[in-house]
Order: sequence, then C-alpha cells, then structure tokens
Amino acid sequence: DIVLTQSPGTLSLSPGERATLSCRASQRVTSRYLAWYQQKPGQAPRLLIYGVSSRATGIPDRFSGSGSWADFTLTISRVEPEDFAVYYCQQCGTSPWTFGQGTRVEVK
Amino acid sequence: EVQLVQSGAEVKKPGESLRISCKGSGYRFSSYWISWVRQMPGKGLEWMGRFDPSDSYSEYSPSFQGHVTFSTDKSISTAYLQWSSLKASDTAMYYCARHPDPNTQFEDWGQGTPVTVSS
Repeated sequence: DIVLTQSPGTLSLSPGERATLSCRASQRVTSRYLAWYQQKPGQAPRLLIYGVSSRATGIPDRFSGSGSWADFTLTISRVEPEDFAVYYCQQCGTSPWTFGQGTRVEVK
Repeated sequence: EVQLVQSGAEVKKPGESLRISCKGSGYRFSSYWISWVRQMPGKGLEWMGRFDPSDSYSEYSPSFQGHVTFSTDKSISTAYLQWSSLKASDTAMYYCARHPDPNTQFEDWGQGTPVTVSS
C-alpha cells in the first residue's frame, strides 16, 4: 500500500498567515491521482484540490496545490477564520487508495 | 443540485447484521462510481472500496474484503453498504462519496452515517 505521511500534525496559525501542509508518499504517485480534502468538525470532507493543483468548484484561489512524484504541498496563502479544519491528502492511483493521517490547522 | 443523502444513525449489537444506504439525486446515478469511507472516532479517513452502479462491479480494500458488501438498487438511485455480522470495532462514521471515473477524486460526499456497535 502507498503510505501518505502528512506534516506537521498540527499547524497553529493566526488569521492572515500562510499555511504550508506537506504530504509525502512511500512511493511515486501519478500526479493526476493526488487530491486534498478539508474536514470541519461534525461535517463530511470536502474536495479542495485534485490532480495535484486543480481547484474544485467553488474553492477560493487562496488554496493551491503543488508537487510531484512523492512530495506534495497544499498552501493556503492567507488563512481565513473558516479555514481552521483538518486537511487530508489522498492518492487514488494505486489500489488500495489511501489517505494521509491529516493535518489540523488550528487558531494560534 | 447534486446530493448524496445517507440513512440515519444505527445502534447495533455485536453479531447483528446491518445495511446502510446512500441515495443520489441531481445527477445520473449510474454514471458515477460510489466509494465508501470509514472514519473511526477521532481518527482519519479509510477507503473501504468502490462500486460501479452501472454494472455492480465492486472492488474492496484488503482491510475490508470479506467483512462488508456493496450493492445497489438503481431504480431508486441508492447504494448500500452491508455487514452480515458486526463487531464492536465497526463503530465509526461511514461516508459515501461519488466520483466520475474509477480512479478519480471524490467530488461529492454524503453527510455520513454513524454506526455504534455495543453489547
């Protein structure tokens, strides 16, 4: 199985700061099969980014994705109050599909 | 508007059977795959497997193979996740999610069905 390791586990930030979330895979992930999701407490996950860098419908442009091979990054250029949540990366190119363990973005 | 609406919370005893549902609306149900995702209390997301409603093809993650079954009733645009014998370790939130191709991101998610298994 492809193991996705996200870091840091928790990111403490103030609104307006930049967030950089990392997702590293145990083996190569085909780019178009790497996605990011946001999950708020008591809610289902929501698709943010797919194909490494494409924003899903309705996702603001402060969210961006980058990376290749086995090293991927989700960046929030300026964190807004509604962005405090848990973020998961996912690979859907090699079965079984796997998620990272999540990065919590919390208020500093 | 695309919606995936899941059935309500369940409380069961170990050894009992259970079927939860995921009803799609606002799109052609058979044109999208359904994946099921488990989230145990306070934990992350685990992919259980995927299902093609058009032909009932199923692929299960090895971690769940033999313990759960996917099915569908296309006439009512509903997918099902079923257990024949629940364990306490099945206590979790279960989500369905749709994706347009076999290997693509999950575009939309159901609201989740909480399942509690306790004696």
